[in-house]
Amino acid sequence: GENVEQHPSTLSVQEGDSAVIKCTYSDSASNYFPWYKQELGKRPQLIIDIRSNVGEKKDQRIAVTLNKTAKHFSLHITETQPEDSAVYFCAADMNTGFQKLVFGTGTRLLVSP
Amino acid sequence: DTEVTQTPKHLVMGMTNKKSLKCEQHMGHRAMYWYKQKAKKPPELMFVYSYEKLSINESVPSRFSPECPNSSLLNLHLHALQPEDSALYLCASSQDGGSNEQYFGPGTRLTVT
Repeated sequence: GENVEQHPSTLSVQEGDSAVIKCTYSDSASNYFPWYKQELGKRPQLIIDIRSNVGEKKDQRIAVTLNKTAKHFSLHITETQPEDSAVYFCAADMNTGFQKLVFGTGTRLLVSP
Repeated sequence: DTEVTQTPKHLVMGMTNKKSLKCEQHMGHRAMYWYKQKAKKPPELMFVYSYEKLSINESVPSRFSPECPNSSLLNLHLHALQPEDSALYLCASSQDGGSNEQYFGPGTRLTVT
């Protein structure tokens, strides 16, 4: 089955710096890769996603890149702000016909003022 | 309405109790999901309903019983739970069972005593 590895497990940056979180997946049939942000005590919120027919997608300060050959994808946050502090989860679908997302283990991002 | 709602927010139950968790969405989504999330861990898929039919059961113990009365509602019936079942139970929905965005509800924090 699908396995998603996520690194780093924790990431501390200064406000204004960039942050990069990387994920690798094992199932070459996966074609949908969402990223979720979860603040303490809150629900996971979809912040950006990418499909296998696209190599990069941007939304303001957030971008995701996908390398299907290498089976890895990354989240890039530029000009980080304290409110970006949260746990970020990557995920990959198993392309079973019924959407099953397999999540990475999460990255705790801390942005210091 | 672009939200998934869940009730109750918190639930404390004994091991001999029977209780139910409820989830509702009015986005016209035809796929609904139950996830279990332990502290500092990613969400783990439990069940997927697609067009009101159970499509995926991730080998969940029978003390958890899902029900989808209609396309907007999803229930999770709980009976004879164990303390290790204490967790955040998240509901999510998506347009259908394909590779589409999943939107999460706020979750029910369950404590089994």
